[in-house]
Amino acid sequence: EVQLVESGGGLVQPGGSLRLSCAASGFTVSSNYMSWVRQAPGKGLEWVSVIYSGGSTYYADSVKGRFTISRDNSKNTLYLQMNSLRAEDTAVYYCARDVTIDYWGQGTLVTVSS
Amino acid sequence: EIVMTQSPATLSVSPGERATLSCRASQSVSSNLAWYQQKPGQAPRLLIYGASTRATGLPARFSGSGSGTEFTLTVSSLQSEDFAVYYCQQYNDWPITFGQGTRLEIK
Repeated sequence: EVQLVESGGGLVQPGGSLRLSCAASGFTVSSNYMSWVRQAPGKGLEWVSVIYSGGSTYYADSVKGRFTISRDNSKNTLYLQMNSLRAEDTAVYYCARDVTIDYWGQGTLVTVSS
Repeated sequence: EIVMTQSPATLSVSPGERATLSCRASQSVSSNLAWYQQKPGQAPRLLIYGASTRATGLPARFSGSGSGTEFTLTVSSLQSEDFAVYYCQQYNDWPITFGQGTRLEIK
């Protein structure tokens, strides 16, 4: 059974950092496109970043230069390193498989506030 | 960036009736268009990809159509569990973008 389990969310001050993790089971992370998608409270969906199976990465303009997507093949885990966090980064962050997302994690809430 | 515009923002329909949701792209996305359903407190669920291919296990009352810049999601006979927010998404070009959503509510 395919599962994606995120962790690492929480409350952080503006300018701070967090690292989100997404532990995958039932498939191999490195063989798939893997993404982070976020949803601000009461708002729609926003694609944040993707890592292709070949290792190429892409970022939304809103996070470029501040966020880094990566994976650990030995742990079958996806990461999102988030630096220089801003209030507008407050959202539920979902780990997702593929670009037509057939599997989503349960989401982890990141709150950026002083 | 390709802008995805959904209409209407809210659609009120009675159970058993047909619902038609629209999605327009600011430039052609070919057939690289997906639809998702999201219920409160849940992650989205993939319904349609490739503009018209139903995801595994999706009831046949859901159908997608269109190509280029104009797309439609149709729910032929609404069930109580279909009332939710629906998003379209283009994956033709990076950055991948979503529409702002259509809320399908009970009339």
